[in-house]
Amino acid sequence: AQTVTQSQPEMSVQEAETVTLSCTYDTSESDYYLFWYKQPPSRQMILVIRQEAYKQQNATENRFSVNFQKAAKSFSLKISDSQLGDAAMYFCAYSISTGNQFYFGTGTSLTVIP
Amino acid sequence: AAGVIQSPRHLIKEKRETATLKCYPIPRHDTVYWYQQGPGQDPQFLISFYEKMQSDKGSIPDRFSAQQFSDYHSELNMSSLELGDSALYFCASSFYREQGANIQYFGAGTRLSVL
Repeated sequence: AQTVTQSQPEMSVQEAETVTLSCTYDTSESDYYLFWYKQPPSRQMILVIRQEAYKQQNATENRFSVNFQKAAKSFSLKISDSQLGDAAMYFCAYSISTGNQFYFGTGTSLTVIP
Repeated sequence: AAGVIQSPRHLIKEKRETATLKCYPIPRHDTVYWYQQGPGQDPQFLISFYEKMQSDKGSIPDRFSAQQFSDYHSELNMSSLELGDSALYFCASSFYREQGANIQYFGAGTRLSVL
């Protein structure tokens, strides 16, 4: 069974600093997808970044980047130049393919300190 | 850009009543997913549909049923409601033929409170 683990229930970062959120997963599949979603107080689930397992290059979206270590089954999210609007719950998610469910981690609550 | 539309946004029901949640996917999207998120928890997958057929099934109680219609909108029907059904229910959609993307776009959710 696929499992996703986020070992940091809460994290905090100073505004303009960098923070890294951790995620590990367990799977026997060789092809899959990994995602980070952000859930602000509005509870809307917003896609932050995604990674295809067959791609060795780490995904990057502006201030957000990932460190994907396939052998270690690790998928961490780095947020650079943190902004107040980055404060939210961040969920790591895993999926095998389109049409299949997402497996979510338990989330990391990120606080940005002005 | 059009997003996933869920209605109603809030719903209050009594125990043992029924509830119907609706989801309108992004135009062109053919796959719909339902998730349940309890207070302080991560979203749990319930069920998904592709082209009106069930494509994946998770921890959906037998009291719940869902379907996808010809216009691709979906409805989640919940009967004999229990206090534990109080949660935020998300619908997400994706475009199956957008291979390599596998992105699910989420609606704003329906907050169900069972009293």
